[in-house]
Amino acid sequence: GENVEQHPSTLSVQEGDSAVIKCTYSDSASNYFPWYKQELGKGPQLIIDIRSNVGEKKDQRIAVTLNKTAKHFSLHITETQPEDSAVYFCAASKGGTSYGKLTFGQGTILTVHP
Amino acid sequence: DAMVIQNPRYQVTQFGKPVTLSCSQTLNHNVMYWYQQKSSQAPKLLFHYYDKDFNNEADTPDNFQSRRPNTSFCFLDIRSPGLGDAAMYLCATSRDLGLGYEQYFGPGTRLTVT
Repeated sequence: GENVEQHPSTLSVQEGDSAVIKCTYSDSASNYFPWYKQELGKGPQLIIDIRSNVGEKKDQRIAVTLNKTAKHFSLHITETQPEDSAVYFCAASKGGTSYGKLTFGQGTILTVHP
Repeated sequence: DAMVIQNPRYQVTQFGKPVTLSCSQTLNHNVMYWYQQKSSQAPKLLFHYYDKDFNNEADTPDNFQSRRPNTSFCFLDIRSPGLGDAAMYLCATSRDLGLGYEQYFGPGTRLTVT
């Protein structure tokens, strides 16, 4: 089955700096890669996603890049703010018989210091 | 305007005493999922319902069962909770199966087993 590795496990930055979280996946058939943000005491919330026919996607301060050949994708957060502090999960999924099943990475605890 | 509601938010049960966790949704989505998330780990899919069709993950223990009496509600039953079942249980929904349908997560129920 699919395996998703996520690094780093913890990331500490100063407010205004950029943060980058990287994930690799094992199944070349995976074609959908969402990123979730989980705040303390809450369920994960989708913040951005990318499909395999796209190399990069941006939404304001958040961007995701995908390298299908290398089977890795990354989340980029620019101009970080204290409210960006949370746990971030990457995930991979493929269509067809896998029913949209998400395989999550292990998570990254992001701390943004004021 | 909560879309995926989980009750209770915190549940304490005794070792071996059956417990039921509840999830309801106002989105009228076809698919409902149950995930187990242990401390500092990624969510792990237990099973999902597509309408009334139940789909169990291969590695989900028999101790975990689920019911979906109607579109809006889904229950997670743990027949004989063990100490290892202490975790956050997340319910999620999606409009349909397949590539790219966003999963909306509830806030979770934190289960403690004494």
